[in-house]
Amino acid sequence: GAGVSQTPSNKVTEKGKYVELRCDPISGHTALYWYRQSLGQGPEFLIYFQGTGAADDSGLPNDRFFAVRPEGSVSTLKIQRTERGDSAVYLCASSPNRNQETQYFGPGTRLLVL
Amino acid sequence: AQSVTQPDIHITVSEGASLELRCNYSYGATPYLFWYVQSPGQGLQLLLKYFSGDTLVQGIKGFEAEFKRSQSSFNLRKPSVHWSDAAEYFCAVGRGGADGLTFGKGTHLIIQP
Repeated sequence: GAGVSQTPSNKVTEKGKYVELRCDPISGHTALYWYRQSLGQGPEFLIYFQGTGAADDSGLPNDRFFAVRPEGSVSTLKIQRTERGDSAVYLCASSPNRNQETQYFGPGTRLLVL
Repeated sequence: AQSVTQPDIHITVSEGASLELRCNYSYGATPYLFWYVQSPGQGLQLLLKYFSGDTLVQGIKGFEAEFKRSQSSFNLRKPSVHWSDAAEYFCAVGRGGADGLTFGKGTHLIIQP
């Protein structure tokens, strides 16, 4: 079956602009996660959804970052007033339910802020 | 808060030789432990996981890992590496439930012919 997909695969934007990154989880997976991976680092947790609600957004670095999952499937990570330090690969993962199941990762969106 | 340390940034191994990648974690309760592999241009792929029970866990691609509570370690091993094993390896810890994972900084594995 289809895995987690993320679009776009690459995004180049200018400092101060607004960007949206999309994640399509595996069909039927209720849990969805966003991570950020900077160069030479491991993924860093941002936010976790259970269904439509954000169950844990403790990893969002500041209020410029926001994510939604209005119908409990597709999720969008939104970054306002982008800064050069936001440049990273943004990873999305999904898992079947609220127990500690395997998280299946997408290929990521590489964001470059000029 | 939990944390993960992967002390080796790079490791070089000859093809056919054995491999051990180190992972130490910090967590107050019984951790949920994972090893993921990331190849260039690929997403993270789960190699194996430990939740409870037998402390020696088997994974895909011939990998295994051993949970040692007394040493707070979860080292990854493979008896004989193949050139296709060259990749970045990440150890991660979770709290259980469906919380986000905490990853180490990764170990870059280089395979010499």
